[in-house]
Amino acid sequence: GQQLNQSPQSMFIQEGEDVSMNCTSSSIFNTWLWYKQEPGEGPVLLIALYKAGELTSNGRLTAQFGITRKDSFLNISASIPSDVGIYFCAGPMNRDDKIIFGKGTRLHILP
Amino acid sequence: DTGVSQNPRHKITKRGQNVTFRCDPISEHNRLYWYRQTLGQGPEFLTYFQNEAQLEKSRLLSDRFSAERPKGSFSTLEIQRTEQGDSAMYLCASSPRSRSNEQFFGPGTRLTVL
Repeated sequence: GQQLNQSPQSMFIQEGEDVSMNCTSSSIFNTWLWYKQEPGEGPVLLIALYKAGELTSNGRLTAQFGITRKDSFLNISASIPSDVGIYFCAGPMNRDDKIIFGKGTRLHILP
Repeated sequence: DTGVSQNPRHKITKRGQNVTFRCDPISEHNRLYWYRQTLGQGPEFLTYFQNEAQLEKSRLLSDRFSAERPKGSFSTLEIQRTEQGDSAMYLCASSPRSRSNEQFFGPGTRLTVL
């Protein structure tokens, strides 16, 4: 079945550094979603992408819909402590609205 | 707060007991989804409703699980004869008609089966 592979699985960075993470699939996606989840909470939608090549920003976050439609990237600039959490990529399976999620990238920020 | 709400936030139960969770979606959203999330994994789709109609059920949803959305507003997820393997975070999400892929999640219900 369809799977989303996220890398890296975890990151340890210094406050102020930029962060890059990606998500790949063996299948084409028509929509890419990026969520952030903090401990004990539900995922929060950060960015939605709908067109191949699309680049969308939300504050210090920028996400891109890969041209092949099989990947997406999320960048965080000038990281701050509240960026800590798990970042999930997600997308709808086939033409329906079931969303599948990657396993997440865990972001840790060192003081 | 007009976000998705879920109750209870935590539930501890003994194996074999029945449990029921409630989800109140964002009021103008017509679609409502249930997911399950275990440690170290992303959320896994269980089922979803468009208004009161249940349109899809995952193979993860065994016969012991049932979900309802009787009036097309709030939804309940019931697990009968709970097993230890049912321990997980149960997440509810809703989405608007215009952008149905943009799902907004509630805080989840953490179920622990002893």
